[in-house]
Amino acid sequence: QQPVQSPQAVILREGEDAVINCSSSKALYSVHWYRQKHGEAPVFLMILLKGGEQKGHEKISASFNEKKQQSSLYLTASQLSYSGTYFCGPQFGNEKLTFGTGTRLTIIP
Amino acid sequence: DAGVTQSPTHLIKTRGQQVTLRCSPKSGHDTVSWYQQALGQGPQFIFQYYEEEERQRGNFPDRFSGHQFPNYSSELNVNALLLGDSALYLCASSPGRGNYGYTFGSGTRLTVV
Repeated sequence: QQPVQSPQAVILREGEDAVINCSSSKALYSVHWYRQKHGEAPVFLMILLKGGEQKGHEKISASFNEKKQQSSLYLTASQLSYSGTYFCGPQFGNEKLTFGTGTRLTIIP
Repeated sequence: DAGVTQSPTHLIKTRGQQVTLRCSPKSGHDTVSWYQQALGQGPQFIFQYYEEEERQRGNFPDRFSGHQFPNYSSELNVNALLLGDSALYLCASSPGRGNYGYTFGSGTRLTVV
C-alpha cells in the first residue's frame, strides 16, 4: 500500500521546472510532502487537506486530486537548494503517515 | 525553540543485544511517531504514541516496543537485535494525531554487527 511516486529520479538544470507525482491505491484523506537532503532528516513542506486544494511554498506548490487518488508537487525555477529526495505522505484520517517511494531530485548549475 | 531531539546520534550494537533510543518532541507537540529508514529507502512507520499509549503500529515484530512519558518524550526499544535492524531511526512529533505536519529529529544511526 506504499504510494508510488514518479519519476524515481530527475536531474534538472538550475531554473528548470519539475513535477513529481504521487499515486495511492487507497482513497486519500490528506497528503503531506517532505524533502530530505542527504544525511539529514525529512523536512515538512506542506499538507493538503482536501480534494482540489492547491498550496504554495515559495516556488514549490502542490495539488491534490482526491478522485484520482493523486497528488502532484510542482517546483518552479528550481534552485540548487531544492536538491534532495521528495516524499509524499498520504494520510487516512488519524491513521499512520505512510511515505511514498521517493523521488530523487538533483539540480545542477 | 528546540525542535525534535534524539539521542544518541550513533550507536553500534552486537547482534542479540538490546537497544533504547530516546526522543524529545518539539515544544507544544504531544504525538510522537517512530520510523525506520534503511539506506536509500523511504521511512517506514514503526508506531505512534499519543497520551502515553501506542495508537498505531506498522509491520514490525514485537521486538520493537516503545513508551511515551507524561512529558511527551518517548523511547524506542529493540530487543534481540538482528543485522537487518541496522538503519536510521527517526522520531517525528506533531501537535496531535490528525492533519498536522510532522517535525523530524535528526535520527539515530544504529549499526548492528
